Amino acid sequence: AQSVTQLDSHVSVSEGTPVLLRCNYSSSYSPSLFWYVQHPNKGLQLLLKYTSAATLVKGINGFEAEFKKSETSFHLTKPSAHMSDAAEYFCVVSDRRDTGGFKTIFGAGTRLFVKA
Amino acid sequence: DAGVTQSPTHLIKTRGQQVTLRCSPKSGHDTVSWYQQALGQGPQFIFQYYEEEERQRGNFPDRFSGHQFPNYSSELNVNALLLGDSALYLCASSLWDKHYEQYFGPGTRLTVT
Repeated sequence: AQSVTQLDSHVSVSEGTPVLLRCNYSSSYSPSLFWYVQHPNKGLQLLLKYTSAATLVKGINGFEAEFKKSETSFHLTKPSAHMSDAAEYFCVVSDRRDTGGFKTIFGAGTRLFVKA
Repeated sequence: DAGVTQSPTHLIKTRGQQVTLRCSPKSGHDTVSWYQQALGQGPQFIFQYYEEEERQRGNFPDRFSGHQFPNYSSELNVNALLLGDSALYLCASSLWDKHYEQYFGPGTRLTVT
C-alpha cells in the first residue's frame, strides 16, 4: 500500500532558526519522493525531488531533504528560516504501477509559521 | 512556453448540477492527472489519462469521470454535485515515462451551494 504521513500538522519557528518538517512514507514499489510548497491562494511549487539517485537532495530556496530507506523517511530541512518560508508544505510519494501509469499521493500537509 | 493551464478559474454550481473542468497540459506532455484539494487538506488523486484512456484511478465515485483528447488536453466531469465536492481541482501534466516530473496548473476553484 502507498501512503504518506506528515508527522506535524503545524510547525512554528523563529526567523533565522532551523526548519525541520517530518515525513514518513510507505510504498510497495521504488518510489519517487517530493516536497511541494503552497503559499496562500497560490499554486503548488516543487521544492525538490528524490528519484533514486543521491539520497541527499538539494532544492530551491535553501531547502534539502534526505531519503532514508531504512527509516522510510524523507524529512525536509532548512538551516535558517525566512519570513517568506511561511506556507503549507506537502510531502508526496509517486510510484509507477505494474499495470501502467503511476499514482501520486500527497501527505496532509504541514503549515509552517515563521515568527519575527 | 505555456505551462499547465486550467479553465475556468472559479465556478459556482448548485447541488445536483453537473460541471466540466478543462486542462491543457504543458507543451510536449502526454499524460494528465487530476486532483481534488479540499480546504485545509492535501490534494487527493482522482484519475490519470494517457492515450485517451483512464490508466489509474483514486478512490472517487463514478460521478467523477474524465476524458482526454487527441491533443492531450483533458476534461474532468462531475455529475450530481454535492456540497462536499467544493474544492480546488488541480490538473497536472507529465510524460508517460517520466512520472516524477509533474507540472501542476493553478487549479479551478469549485463552490457548490
